[in-house]
This record gives sequence, structure tokens and C-alpha cells, in this order.
Amino acid sequence: EAGVAQSPRYKIIEKRQSVAFWCNPISGHATLYWYQQILGQGPKLLIQFQNNGVVDDSQLPKDRFSAERLKGVDSTLKIQPAKLEDSAVYLCASSSDLRSYNEQFFGPGTRLTVL
Amino acid sequence: GQQLNQSPQSMFIQEGEDVSMNCTSSSIFNTWLWYKQDPGEGPVLLIALYKAGELTSNGRLTAQFGITRKDSFLNISASIPSDVGIYFCAGREQGGSEKLVFGKGTKLTVNP
Repeated sequence: EAGVAQSPRYKIIEKRQSVAFWCNPISGHATLYWYQQILGQGPKLLIQFQNNGVVDDSQLPKDRFSAERLKGVDSTLKIQPAKLEDSAVYLCASSSDLRSYNEQFFGPGTRLTVL
Repeated sequence: GQQLNQSPQSMFIQEGEDVSMNCTSSSIFNTWLWYKQDPGEGPVLLIALYKAGELTSNGRLTAQFGITRKDSFLNISASIPSDVGIYFCAGREQGGSEKLVFGKGTKLTVNP
């Protein structure tokens, strides 16, 4: 069974530029999560989808971050415009459904550096 | 928001030694999870705990859900070089949202 796929693995941009990350969850997983992991800290949930609907985006900085999962499968996370403090690893995770929140499978992440 | 206090921040041990790390919260949790993260990879679930007092093992790893429901610990026995990595506790707050809250991690270095 293929795991959670993310791309790109690394991205370097200058502040005020835009960037997008892509995630393809494990086949059949209804719930998809985007986390931000700043160096030296644990992951922090940004947004959670159930199929193509948003379940929780309370910690998403909506003035610059957006995410979509239009067909309920893969998802994109966008930052526009980026700030220096957005430098982090962005992790995508999926689980079979909302009740399986603990059985989240993580992708390898995208390491973003904002200069 | 809720934060978990995880300690120690880092550990340097010799191969064969036992390791213990713990996590505390200011509020009651109904789920405690322990993850390991290798460099350049996402976290991988090691052990999940769902009841106060629960003690669960996974090979050389043992974790317990504290009686007060505000803490958990992870023990690794007879450490080996491949135990190197960052260990995170995570939990779900009782009466809170569905999201997981993570600790800041314990970085483990094992010297052969």
C-alpha cells in the first residue's frame, strides 16, 4: 500500500512570493490533515478535511494560507504572500475517517525556506 | 491553545542503556500517543493509549497513560543505534476539539 505522497520535498522562496504544496493521501482515506512543523517543535494542525469539506481550520492563518481538496482526494496548500516565519516543514497526513484521528499516516513533508 | 510539556528536550546515551521520557499537560487528556520522527520523514505512530493507567508495550518500547490523565511516559529498553530520532508525545484533550496536540519532542542520540 502506497503511503502519503507530498511534493515538492524542498522549496526555497523569497518573502512575499507565493508557494503551493501538494499532497496525495493513502487511497481510500477520507480524512486529510495539513500540519506545520517549525524547527524544534512538534507538528501543529493547520487544517483538517473530511472528504472535500473542511472540519477544522481554526489554526490556519487565513489572510495568507489557503487549502483545498476539491475532489476529496488530493489536496493543495498555498501560502500567498510568504513571510520569513513561514519557514517550516509542512506535513500532510491522512486517516481512514474522522474516528481514526489517532491512526494518522504522515507523508515525508515539504521543507520550506523563506529568505 | 493547549500545549504539552515534554522532557527531556534531548538525551545522549550509550547503546544498551534504558531511556525514559515523559509528557505532561495542564488539562485532562483522553488519548495519549507516542510518535518517532526520523530526519526528513514524517512522524510514525509507536504506541496509542486510551485509558487512565493503561500500560502498553511495543517490542522494547513501553508507554503508560497516567492515572491523573494529565501525563504519560515512554520507556525504551536496551537502546540500539536505530533508536536515534525525535520522539513526540501527542494527545487529544477531553472535551476539546478532535485535533491532536503535540509536544516539542525529545531528541535521542545513541552512541554505539
